[in-house]
Amino acid sequence: QKEVEQNSGPLSVPEGAIASLNCTYSDRGSQSFFWYRQYSGKSPELIMSIYSNGDKEDGRFTAQLNKASQYVSLLIRDSQPSDSATYLCAVNNGSSNTGKLIFGQGTTLQVKP
Amino acid sequence: DAGVTQSPTHLIKTRGQQVTLRCSPKSGHDTVSWYQQALGQGPQFIFQYYEEEERQRGNFPDRFSGHQFPNYSSELNVNALLLGDSALYLCASSFVVSMNTEAFFGQGTRLTVV
Repeated sequence: QKEVEQNSGPLSVPEGAIASLNCTYSDRGSQSFFWYRQYSGKSPELIMSIYSNGDKEDGRFTAQLNKASQYVSLLIRDSQPSDSATYLCAVNNGSSNTGKLIFGQGTTLQVKP
Repeated sequence: DAGVTQSPTHLIKTRGQQVTLRCSPKSGHDTVSWYQQALGQGPQFIFQYYEEEERQRGNFPDRFSGHQFPNYSSELNVNALLLGDSALYLCASSFVVSMNTEAFFGQGTRLTVV
C-alpha cells in the first residue's frame, strides 16, 4: 500500500462545474495535509493546507479532512480552464517532526470550455 | 520578496559525471528540503537541511549529498550519475522545522543524464 494515494485521472469536468479531488493516506499519525497545483513543466505551487478535521475554504477552493477515515479532498468550485493542472496531495510524515512531505502521484484535472 | 530560487534551470550531463544544484530559500526561511520528481510521479523526498545539518534523509543512495551554508542556501550534489537520475529536482524552503510548516518550492532544475 502506498503511503499517499491519489487517482491519477485524468478527471475531466466542464467549465463552471465542481471538481472533486481525493487522497487517502496510510500513516494515522499524520498531522498536516497540503494540496499543491502543478502546471505541466512547472514546479508545485501550494494552494491549501489543512490540519484539523472538517472543511477549510479559500476562495473557490475547499479542503476537507477526515482523520478517522484517513481521507483528504479538494473541491474546486466554478472550475475554469486555467485550473487544468496536476493536483498533488502531500502529507507530513507523522512519525517525525521534520516537515518531510510525502506526496501522492497527483491527479490530472482537465477543465473543458 | 524573492521566493525560492534554484540554479541552473536546465542541465545535461553524461553518465558517470557529477552535478551540483543550488537553492536559495525564501527570505526568512531557514530550512531547505530537496525532492526528486520523475515524469508522471509525485516528488520524492531526498533530504532536509536545518542549521547546516542534514535532519532527515529519504531512501536515496549516498551518491546524493548536500550542504547548507550559514545564509541558509543549499546545494545538492549527485556523484556517478546514472540515466535514472534524470528528473526534475525541486528545492522547498520553510521556516522552522515543524509538522505544520508550509513548504514553498523553487522552479526546479531539470536534469537530463545521457
